[in-house]
Amino acid sequence: NAGVTQTPKFRILKIGQSMTLQCAQDMNHNYMYWYRQDPGMGLKLIYYSVGAGITDKGEVPNGYNVSRSTTEDFPLRLELAAPSQTSVYFCASNSLGSPEAFFGQGTRLTVV
Amino acid sequence: GENVEQHPSTLSVQEGDSAVIKCTYSDSASNYFPWYKQELGKRPQLIIDIRSNVGEKKDQRIAVTLNKTAKHFSLHITETQPEDSAVYFCAAELGYTGNQFYFGTGTSLTVIP
Repeated sequence: NAGVTQTPKFRILKIGQSMTLQCAQDMNHNYMYWYRQDPGMGLKLIYYSVGAGITDKGEVPNGYNVSRSTTEDFPLRLELAAPSQTSVYFCASNSLGSPEAFFGQGTRLTVV
Repeated sequence: GENVEQHPSTLSVQEGDSAVIKCTYSDSASNYFPWYKQELGKRPQLIIDIRSNVGEKKDQRIAVTLNKTAKHFSLHITETQPEDSAVYFCAAELGYTGNQFYFGTGTSLTVIP
């Protein structure tokens, strides 16, 4: 099993550009999450999904969108990138009845 | 929603000494408390967890204690080693919201050889 795979690992965006951060898991997990981690800060939940076709907002959803068309994939879309979105983004997943969350390796995004 | 506070933000200890990191939470409905270790440039990884029906859990040099009444939980690392140097995050899960985790702001632990 590859676990949770995120792409890309690094990206530089210009203000106003858009991009999609990809996340895929091969553990058949129901729950998937997107977090952002700002320097010296904890992980803030952006969006989460409890299953295919179901998504919900977390603590900091503004400026982001997600979709969950399959169990495996949970892409995060940034529209009109802003400098405040400069951060490290982590995707995570876990299964119903097993609370341990498995994280991807992260995507370091810089908006200039 | 839940609010998790973590202290201290930085901690330096001599190799072989113990390290203690403390977290408090606000929502009494939280029922699962994991601790994650994040080495520099790497992903967070679970090191130990505790459920609300347990007061203490131990795994070799690592232990976690939970005080439900006071709404705080702590990570204890004994006989620290340089490879314990990392950022440690506590988290609380609101079970009734479907596995939504709230993380503390992290503690950067440095073990001095």
